[in-house]
Amino acid sequence: DAGVTQSPTHLIKTRGQQVTLRCSPKSGHDTVSWYQQALGQGPQFIFQYYEEEERQRGNFPDRFSGHQFPNYSSELNVNALLLGDSALYLCASSLGARTGELFFGEGSRLTVL
Amino acid sequence: QQQVKQSPQSLIVQKGGISIINCAYENTAFDYFPWYQQFPGKGPALLIAIRPDVSEKKEGRFTISFNKSAKQFSLHIMDSQPGDSATYFCAASGRNYGQNFVFGPGTRLSVLP
Repeated sequence: DAGVTQSPTHLIKTRGQQVTLRCSPKSGHDTVSWYQQALGQGPQFIFQYYEEEERQRGNFPDRFSGHQFPNYSSELNVNALLLGDSALYLCASSLGARTGELFFGEGSRLTVL
Repeated sequence: QQQVKQSPQSLIVQKGGISIINCAYENTAFDYFPWYQQFPGKGPALLIAIRPDVSEKKEGRFTISFNKSAKQFSLHIMDSQPGDSATYFCAASGRNYGQNFVFGPGTRLSVLP
């Protein structure tokens, strides 16, 4: 049973560039959310996708956008990268959009130079 | 009101000892309180979770104690082992929050052999 998979695992970008991160949810799950985890801190909620729509959004600027595909996989896009966007980006999945058990992937480590 | 406070920031325990981590919240709309364990380079993994209709939940060596009136909850790790050395995060969410979890800043636990 495949868990949550994310790609790429590591990437380096420069300020002003754009990045796309990808996530496949755990088998059987239909809801995906994205979190940003800065070094030494707890994860911060970016947004949640269910039925291909953004359902909840945290306190992140519009530079952060996402998409969910019919197969429930998801992408996180960040435009106009800033140095402060350097972090571990975590994807989590669950069955249904209501609060419950979240399964996290291992994350994509983004470094912005 | 959206914050979850967590203490201590770091904890050192001898093998076989009890590890205790405490969290506090303000938002009375929160009704789901999970604890996550994270090893370096990995995503958070759910350890145990509680809802406010019970004051304690035990799973193996891990116990959550919940005090609704004080808006506090804690994680107890009995018979701590070196393999428990990791960062632990408490989190909170509510019925209308979907996958929007508020995480504490984390506690780095080191269990000495």
